[in-house]
Amino acid sequence: KNEVEQSPQNLTAQEGEFITINCSYSVGISALHWLQQHPGGGIVSLFMLSSGKKKHGRLIATINIQEKHSSLHITASHPRDSAVYICAALYNTDKLIFGTGTRLQVFP
Amino acid sequence: EPEVTQTPSHQVTQMGQEVILRCVPISNHLYFYWYRQILGQKVEFLVSFYNNEISEKSEIFDDQFSVERPDGSNFTLKIRSTKLEDSAMYFCASSEARTLYEQYFGPGTRLTVT
Repeated sequence: KNEVEQSPQNLTAQEGEFITINCSYSVGISALHWLQQHPGGGIVSLFMLSSGKKKHGRLIATINIQEKHSSLHITASHPRDSAVYICAALYNTDKLIFGTGTRLQVFP
Repeated sequence: EPEVTQTPSHQVTQMGQEVILRCVPISNHLYFYWYRQILGQKVEFLVSFYNNEISEKSEIFDDQFSVERPDGSNFTLKIRSTKLEDSAMYFCASSEARTLYEQYFGPGTRLTVT
């Protein structure tokens, strides 16, 4: 069965800390998405990865295909980064399988 | 910047009623999707749509659900006879192409079935 697991479920940080959120998937995928869900519910796409590493501002996403693992890093975290971060995997179809999300709270 | 829009933002309906949720995808996108998120749960795929037909659907997307692209801009999700368990946030998304392209999500429609 195609699964996506995220850890941790909840994460609390002080402003400025380096954040890592992990995602693992059960079988081979064609792409992995990192998404951000705001408190109001809206979903924003952060990254789409099939290999290697991508960087956008303070956000970095990496994927290790052999280990079936991806990480999302936030450098110099800020309270406005507080949101739910979701990993979702595409298994050679149109169907994205979502993880349960990591709720991040960054305090000043 | 182009964005996906959805209407209404909140829909309240009585059990057994039909609802239509509307989405306007980004204009040059060719693939369209519906997802739902029951309160407190993870996002779930419902259906993908390309070239005026369903390309994939999940087990949730039963005969009560249908999708349509009635004109060149709108993409709709219809629930024929709503049940209490259909209460959820419904997200529309679109992408330029499949697989290695980002999906852009709309703000969602919160459906409450009473």
